[in-house]
Amino acid sequence: SQQGEEDPQALSIQEGENATMNCSYKTSINNLQWYRQNSGRGLVHLILIRSNEREKHSGRLRVTLDTSKKSSSLLITASRAADTASYFCATTITGANSKLTFGKGITLSVRP
Amino acid sequence: DSGVTQTPKHLITATGQRVTLRCSPRSGDLSVYWYQQSLDQGLQFLIQYYNGEERAKGNILERFSAQQFPDLHSELNLSSLELGDSALYFCASSPQGGTYNEQFFGPGTRLTVL
Repeated sequence: SQQGEEDPQALSIQEGENATMNCSYKTSINNLQWYRQNSGRGLVHLILIRSNEREKHSGRLRVTLDTSKKSSSLLITASRAADTASYFCATTITGANSKLTFGKGITLSVRP
Repeated sequence: DSGVTQTPKHLITATGQRVTLRCSPRSGDLSVYWYQQSLDQGLQFLIQYYNGEERAKGNILERFSAQQFPDLHSELNLSSLELGDSALYFCASSPQGGTYNEQFFGPGTRLTVL
């Protein structure tokens, strides 16, 4: 079963706009990671946030984590056409090993 | 380019057959993970190896097996293939096996079972 559930399932925005994607999960986690996947290709790691962190930045990416609500958000600022991809949140669960449990993903389309 | 390589890129085979997927982790990474991605199941963790030994098992069928060799490359063996085994199979690697490591994914092997 999926640990993470992303929302929305699909998002279409204009280039230059910000894109916000949300992820909710069910059990306590060690960390939460966001990955990007271009159509049919491998996953690319974007950012990792630990359970004791609340916010992290990496370039145009901003990730927040609210462990009380069991949710995370990924913000991509000033989006570009090249950001068009599927985005997945993945968690490692407290007490478990380092396997990643993925959500179903969000399809982001950035229109030029 | 993540530094993780997978071969072959595409594989087409028939039901009942057996195939082997190969993965070479990034230089220096000790941990290898296998994932299956399908439309109905999404991305599912199959199995993890760390420095040659099995570390964790996920939703891996008994018809599937894996191993990690002394040079740290890994193979995933799929046998008695069924139509439902058609999927993208990804290998990922990380320096250690800990929970705070990001995982670096290979480009995947697309398996089609006819």
